[in-house]
Amino acid sequence: EDKVVQSPLSLVVHEGDTVTLNCSYEVTNFRSLLWYKQEKKAPTFLFMLTSSGIEKKSGRLSSILDKKELFSILNITATQTGDSAVYLCAFRSNDYKLSFGAGTTVTVRA
Amino acid sequence: DAGVTQSPTHLIKTRGQQVTLRCSPKSGHDTVSWYQQALGQGPQFIFQYYEEEERQRGNFPDRFSGHQFPNYSSELNVNALLLGDSALYLCASTLGSTDTQYFGPGTRLTVL
Repeated sequence: EDKVVQSPLSLVVHEGDTVTLNCSYEVTNFRSLLWYKQEKKAPTFLFMLTSSGIEKKSGRLSSILDKKELFSILNITATQTGDSAVYLCAFRSNDYKLSFGAGTTVTVRA
Repeated sequence: DAGVTQSPTHLIKTRGQQVTLRCSPKSGHDTVSWYQQALGQGPQFIFQYYEEEERQRGNFPDRFSGHQFPNYSSELNVNALLLGDSALYLCASTLGSTDTQYFGPGTRLTVL
């Protein structure tokens, strides 16, 4: 059965710290891996990764995929209180749905 | 550029009742997916609609049904509500079979 596991479940950091979130997956027919940020309700799209070893960056956020070891990392540098959220990892195989992990709750303290 | 919209924002029902949730996709998108997110969990796929047909379904009972209209908007219907149906219901839209799905703000359903 396909599955995705995120770690840690939660973490608390102080402003300016760097955060590394992990997402490991076991899936047949892997097509893409996506990261979302969920603050209140709507998950907002961050990155989509399809190729191994190519880092995607957006400001202080970056992500990389390792298709051999079946994991992805999301990094947030120089964290701010506005980064406090649940970060969700999801994969898509050759069907149409996204399969999500349980998420990592990040709390950034001032 | 209008994003994904959902209505209502909140809903309270009692066990056994029926509920209808509504979703309008992001401008230019023609595919709508529905997800259920229980507290502390990631979203779980319910089904996806494309060209007014259910294209794929997740592991949800037949009490969950849907519809897509010619303007691509969609409804999620849940019959015979159970306490366990209490959750945030998210709608996501995309264009065709594109991987990236864009989510609406959700409808918080509480079943008493």
